[in-house]
Amino acid sequence: DAGITQSPRHKVTETGTPVTLRCHQTENHRYMYWYRQDPGHGLRLIHYSYGVKDTDKGEVSDGYSVSRSKTEDFLLTLESATSSQTSVYFCAISESDGITTQYFGPGTRLTVL
Amino acid sequence: SQQGEEDPQALSIQEGENATMNCSYKTSINNLQWYRQNSGRGLVHLILIRSNEREKHSGRLRVTLDTSKKSSSLLITASRAADTASYFCATGRLNNAGNMLTFGGGTRLMVKP
Repeated sequence: DAGITQSPRHKVTETGTPVTLRCHQTENHRYMYWYRQDPGHGLRLIHYSYGVKDTDKGEVSDGYSVSRSKTEDFLLTLESATSSQTSVYFCAISESDGITTQYFGPGTRLTVL
Repeated sequence: SQQGEEDPQALSIQEGENATMNCSYKTSINNLQWYRQNSGRGLVHLILIRSNEREKHSGRLRVTLDTSKKSSSLLITASRAADTASYFCATGRLNNAGNMLTFGGGTRLMVKP
């Protein structure tokens, strides 16, 4: 398995609270991604990073922000959690430019009550 | 929006039979990848096929790509109960995010012993 960890693995929170999910890699890969997975939708890209302090929006970025201050860490923040953000969140990493695969973390199951 | 659409959404077969899953997509791609997800786990990369390739093999897996029809298929031969999982196709396009993947909704495969 690629060296990717996500924390926490499970979280229950209340509507309106901020939540931060962490993705940590030990592979020194340049690219990092945050996806959410919901039934019937597969995985959808939220935000991605192509280097330290270089981030951009994905398909479903509203209500989310990210930060990457170190190569190994990519943080996803739900600024004010809503019930529609109940989902499973996956982090992925990719090594380099060109056609490469992505390696996925184990996921974080988030429930917003 | 989903670039790849898998068909069927669910497939149930007996151990030893072959399983075929199909993926259709809408826009031009640089590559197409297949991933596997066991229940409650992250995605695991299976195979990558570039847009200039027509077929690739990996063990019991065979992937074909027809760019003129914008479709791909994944064949698992001599299936085993351990192949029970969800399978996702992902179309890849190169940009500043590296190899940007767009996932389909997946095929749930059940292999009965």
